[in-house]
Amino acid sequence: GIQVEQSPPDLILQEGANSTLRCNFSDSVNNLQWFHQNPWGQLINLFYIPSGTKQNGRLSATTVATERYSLLYISSSQTTDSGVYFCAVDSGYAGNTPLVFGKGTRLSVIA
Amino acid sequence: GAVVSQHPSRVICKSGTSVKIECRSLDFQATTMFWYRQFPKKSLMLMATSNEGSKATYEQGVEKDKFLINHASLTLSTLTVTSAHPEDSSFYICSARDPRGRAEAFFGQGTRLTVV
Repeated sequence: GIQVEQSPPDLILQEGANSTLRCNFSDSVNNLQWFHQNPWGQLINLFYIPSGTKQNGRLSATTVATERYSLLYISSSQTTDSGVYFCAVDSGYAGNTPLVFGKGTRLSVIA
Repeated sequence: GAVVSQHPSRVICKSGTSVKIECRSLDFQATTMFWYRQFPKKSLMLMATSNEGSKATYEQGVEKDKFLINHASLTLSTLTVTSAHPEDSSFYICSARDPRGRAEAFFGQGTRLTVV
C-alpha cells in the first residue's frame, strides 16, 4: 500500500518563527489532507490539497503531485500552533477508501 | 466543513466489561465510516471500515470478535469493545468522508478508553 513519510518528526520553535513541514508519499494520490491534532486529540482539518497551493491565514500548503510531496508552511508561529501535524493520503476516488496517515510532526512553540 | 460526532469522549470501564462507542455523521449520509486507533505519541492506525448494511472490513491483526462494528444507518456506526482488557486502553477515533463534492475526510472528537 501507499507509504507516507513526514519530516521532521519533532520541531521546537520560538514564538514568531516560521516553519516548513514536509510530507512525501510513495504513489499517486487523489486525496491529500493536512490535520492538526490538538492536545485533546481532536483532528482539525487544515487543508484538502491533492495538488496546487492554498493559504488560510498564517498557514499555507503546497502539493507537487508529480514529485509526490506536500509542504505545510506555518508563519509567525503562536503557542496555540503546538500539537501534532499529520499528513494523510489515499488513492481512491469514491470516498469509500480510508486515509493513510504519516507518523506526524510534533510541534512545540515556546513563548 | 462537515460534522462527525463521536460519543463518549472519555470512558473508564472495568476489565471484562463491554464498551460501545458511537460515531455519527450529523449533516451528511455516510455509507462508509472508518475506525482508527491511536496509541500515545503514535499515528492513527486503521482498524476497520464500517459499511452500512453489510459486514465491516477489518485490517489484518484486528480481532473482529473483540471489536464489533455495526453500521445500522446512513448516519451511525458503532464500535463495541467486548470483554475489555487493560491492553485495549487507547484513543479510538472515527472518520467519514463527505460525499458532497471532493470526499474530504472528517473526524470525530475521539474516545479515550481506559480499562482498569
